[in-house]
Amino acid sequence: KNQVEQSPQSLIILEGKNCTLQCNYTVSPFSNLRWYKQDTGRGPVSLTIMTFSENTKSNGRYTATLDADTKQSSLHITASQLSDSASYICVVSRPTGGGNKLTFGTGTQLKVEL
Amino acid sequence: DGGITQSPKYLFRKEGQNVTLSCEQNLNHDAMYWYRQDPGQGLRLIYYSQIVNDFQKGDIAEGYSVSREKKESFPLTVTSAQKNPTAFYLCASSINLAESSYEQYFGPGTRLTVT
Repeated sequence: KNQVEQSPQSLIILEGKNCTLQCNYTVSPFSNLRWYKQDTGRGPVSLTIMTFSENTKSNGRYTATLDADTKQSSLHITASQLSDSASYICVVSRPTGGGNKLTFGTGTQLKVEL
Repeated sequence: DGGITQSPKYLFRKEGQNVTLSCEQNLNHDAMYWYRQDPGQGLRLIYYSQIVNDFQKGDIAEGYSVSREKKESFPLTVTSAQKNPTAFYLCASSINLAESSYEQYFGPGTRLTVT
């Protein structure tokens, strides 16, 4: 069964600290893996997208890693800010007849406090 | 939210009524999608369209209908047949359906409450 599991479910950290969010998937075959940030009551916004051959990609203070052999990904946030408070969603794309299908994780809810 | 607009942001309806959610994009994208988001669950695909006048059912299409008469517009109707319509609805678009690397851009969402 094609699934995407994220951990932890929620996380609280102090401003300025680093954190790492985890994503494990069983989706097969694999096209790419994406991380999205979703603010409360808003639509998701893309942070990174990685293909099979990429094992790390950065976007400012966000760095995503991918281990396609173990089917694991992580999102590392450096020097967190209050504005990082959001849900972070891991999404895996797989090819299907005529297109690609996305499987979404349930997200990690991050809260950054003073 | 890019060039995708959804309206209204909040919508309230009585049980048994159909309701239509609007989605418009000015990104010149061929593909458009509707997702539903419920607490504690990942986004689930309702319908998608890769070209005008063509659309396909997603994983949870029952109780929903769509149309794609214009490239820019992909309205979703939540019918009275949908058993649990209260949810956050997200519209998205991408350049096309076939290329996996193309980004999906999401609208701001519509929160529908049915009582």
